[in-house]
Amino acid sequence: NAGVTQTPKFQVLKTGQSMTLQCAQDMNHEYMSWYRQDPGMGLRLIHYSVGAGITDQGEVPNGYNVSRSTTEDFPLRLLSAAPSQTSVYFCASTQGGRPAFFGQGTRLTVV
Amino acid sequence: AQSVTQPDIHITVSEGASLELRCNYSYGATPYLFWYVQSPGQGLQLLLKYFSGDTLVQGIKGFEAEFKRSQSSFNLRKPSVHWSDAAEYFCAVGYSSGTYKYIFGTGTRLKVLA
Repeated sequence: NAGVTQTPKFQVLKTGQSMTLQCAQDMNHEYMSWYRQDPGMGLRLIHYSVGAGITDQGEVPNGYNVSRSTTEDFPLRLLSAAPSQTSVYFCASTQGGRPAFFGQGTRLTVV
Repeated sequence: AQSVTQPDIHITVSEGASLELRCNYSYGATPYLFWYVQSPGQGLQLLLKYFSGDTLVQGIKGFEAEFKRSQSSFNLRKPSVHWSDAAEYFCAVGYSSGTYKYIFGTGTRLKVLA
């Protein structure tokens, strides 16, 4: 029972590079979301999806893209990495009326 | 606008002492409320949840929380803290129309003295 799987666990990028953070869940949850965690700021919602083909912006969407082609996968793309995107990123999935399950996180450093 | 406030950034307690972590929320409808715990370098683990019904909810690891609608609060408590409880604790509100979006508090870091 894998739950929510995020890859990679750690990543270092140079400013301007692009990359994709992967998130997969095996619980057939409709809802998936991406958060970033920064010291003293808790978790802030970047983007979310209510089902395959449907995505929407959260609180801090700038500089990130998402897509949801399948129920299982919800990748987060950094278009042109900036030092301000240095953070820990968490993917979560849930089904309506139930608590969210979180992945183990991706620690991203942009230099 | 919806918001969650955890007024205590850091709390230090002695092992065996009681613990209360505060959480206040602002939300126009009936909230879904959660407490998550995060150990260093780890993801978030659900401690307990409140959806409806009994306002005192029991969770894992001996934690409990009480929903008080009149005070817009959902404080987390534990009667006797163990050294392994040292972690960061997050309160969160889920939208009652689907809970696919959560608003998190900024977290309370708990330190336990031996």
